[in-house]
Amino acid sequence: GAVVSQHPSRVICKSGTSVKIECRSLDFQATTMFWYRQFPKKSLMLMATSNEGSKATYEQGVEKDKFLINHASLTLSTLTVTSAHPEDSSFYICSATGSGLGNIQYFGAGTRLSVL
Amino acid sequence: GENVEQHPSTLSVQEGDSAVIKCTYSDSASNYFPWYKQELGKRPQLIIDIRSNVGEKKDQRIAVTLNKTAKHFSLHITETQPEDSAVYFCAASRGGNEKLTFGTGTRLTIIP
Repeated sequence: GAVVSQHPSRVICKSGTSVKIECRSLDFQATTMFWYRQFPKKSLMLMATSNEGSKATYEQGVEKDKFLINHASLTLSTLTVTSAHPEDSSFYICSATGSGLGNIQYFGAGTRLSVL
Repeated sequence: GENVEQHPSTLSVQEGDSAVIKCTYSDSASNYFPWYKQELGKRPQLIIDIRSNVGEKKDQRIAVTLNKTAKHFSLHITETQPEDSAVYFCAASRGGNEKLTFGTGTRLTIIP
């Protein structure tokens, strides 16, 4: 299957700082990428949908100024958590799909963010 | 929007027995239904999917059934093995590059 790489896998930061998470499709062109947040023992909550070259579409209740998403190329999307606070601590996962992949979303390995 | 319900939330099965997980969806326009397996701290991995033009699909010990009229679909795992222990998520979408709506997950434990 297609490969999606996500970095970093783990990040610890101080409250008030910003953190950038990268999601890359390694062997396909990702026309659409998705960003999820997952709380312990809970399901995946979609935060936003990102199409290459377009502004991201955010789900209801997700602050677009706090969670900045950029999808500037067909292989890279980034999520920046701005002015992070302890309540932003979570597991963030990206997924990607593209032409010829039959709707299948391939997931990154996730980023565990801890805000002190 | 789409709402996907999943049951049970936890399931313990003796090794070698079968496991069944059920999901219902609300959006009649949904036509793509994948199942993902997620081990602790790992990424979700697609194990099987089904589209609305078929009623059943099988891949070795795993099968999925879809009832479009009733808007429900089920995952069946036969001859369960310890490595089947994980959290399983169902999902639904309208296909294309549309977003997936996930169920709440089922923690499956295989008892040796």
